[in-house]
Amino acid sequence: AQSVTQPDIHITVSEGASLELRCNYSYGATPYLFWYVQSPGQGLQLLLKYFSGDTLVQGIKGFEAEFKRSQSSFNLRKPSVHWSDAAEYFCAPWDYNTDKLIFGTGTRLQVFP
Amino acid sequence: NAGVTQTPKFRVLKTGQSMTLLCAQDMNHEYMYWYRQDPGMGLRLIHYSVGEGTTAKGEVPDGYNVSRLKKQNFLLGLESAAPSQTSVYFCASRENTEAFFGQGTRLTVV
Repeated sequence: AQSVTQPDIHITVSEGASLELRCNYSYGATPYLFWYVQSPGQGLQLLLKYFSGDTLVQGIKGFEAEFKRSQSSFNLRKPSVHWSDAAEYFCAPWDYNTDKLIFGTGTRLQVFP
Repeated sequence: NAGVTQTPKFRVLKTGQSMTLLCAQDMNHEYMYWYRQDPGMGLRLIHYSVGEGTTAKGEVPDGYNVSRLKKQNFLLGLESAAPSQTSVYFCASRENTEAFFGQGTRLTVV
């Protein structure tokens, strides 16, 4: 069965520090992969997406993610975190065979000044 | 350009009552989804639709029904609400490779 895992429930970093949020998926084929961000009380906003080609993708707000087929991972990174990045982040593989968009359980990011 | 609009934004129901949540999109998207979001569980797919007149079950369909009579609308129904259905509900529509989300409906069942 398809699944997605975000191992880190809660991460705390200092402003200006680097960030990496982990995402691992289990699918029969390479799915399309997305990262979404949700600010408190808000809907979801797309950060970036990967379909094929270059395994390092750039997104909005200075985020990037790297697809590693051998590790079935699609980790999200940012070199220098800003206080406004505090939010919940969701990894979401899309199974294009079934048209299902499935979400991980999310990682809550807290940023200290 | 409204995007994806969910109605209502907040609702309190008594156990056993019924209600319908409306999701409307003005982007002519074929695919629409209903999710529920609970603390520590992320977003779980309830039902989805790949086009007008079609619906399919997601991960947690029990206790919910859906209809897609018009392409722009995707309705989520609770026939007999239970406290376990207290949650925040999100609707999304998708075109090709990007999904757009509504602002959510906070439902409390007492």
